[in-house]
Amino acid sequence: SQKIEQNSEALNIQEGKTATLTCNYTNYSPAYLQWYRQDPGRGPVFLLLIRENEKEKRKERLKVTFDTTLKQSLFHITASQPADSATYLCAPQDNNNDMRFGAGTRLTVKP
Amino acid sequence: ETGVTQSPTHLIKTRGQQVTLRCSSQSGHNTVSWYQQALGQGPQFIFQYYREEENGRGNFPPRFSGLQFPNYSSELNVNALELDDSALYLCASRPRTSGAGELFFGEGSRLTVL
Repeated sequence: SQKIEQNSEALNIQEGKTATLTCNYTNYSPAYLQWYRQDPGRGPVFLLLIRENEKEKRKERLKVTFDTTLKQSLFHITASQPADSATYLCAPQDNNNDMRFGAGTRLTVKP
Repeated sequence: ETGVTQSPTHLIKTRGQQVTLRCSSQSGHNTVSWYQQALGQGPQFIFQYYREEENGRGNFPPRFSGLQFPNYSSELNVNALELDDSALYLCASRPRTSGAGELFFGEGSRLTVL
């Protein structure tokens, strides 16, 4: 069955450092992979989308990589700030009509 | 342009009751999806509607049903509520049903089943 695994439930880092979050998937052949941010009690908010033929995508302090051989995506936040503290969700998307999410990684950036 | 809105924001029901949750999708979006998110978990896909027809379903029993209306708003109905149905129910819309495209989420309806 299809599985989406995000590296850890929680990640704590110091302000200014780079946070790296991992998303692994099995029994999937996603054409796209999306990352979302979710704050407590709120709906997820879209951050980035990367296509299967793109190795890397950047947006301001965010960088996403997509390795279809390893079946893995890495999500980086550089120069992290306490305001980046949230849960980050990955969502591989194949050409079916639905999108499924990983369990998320809760990031805490300490001042 | 208004975003995705959901109602009610919170509600409490007892086991065996039925509930209807409502979603108004973002203007111009013809596809709506519903997700269940238990505490500490990621959103679990329930189903998706496109032009009033269900066109994708996750691993949820038939007591979870839905509707999409001509104005693309949507309802999620859950019958015979169980304690495990307690969760945040999220509605998300997007402008087309297939291909790349971000989901726009509402803030959710928090359901507690006692």
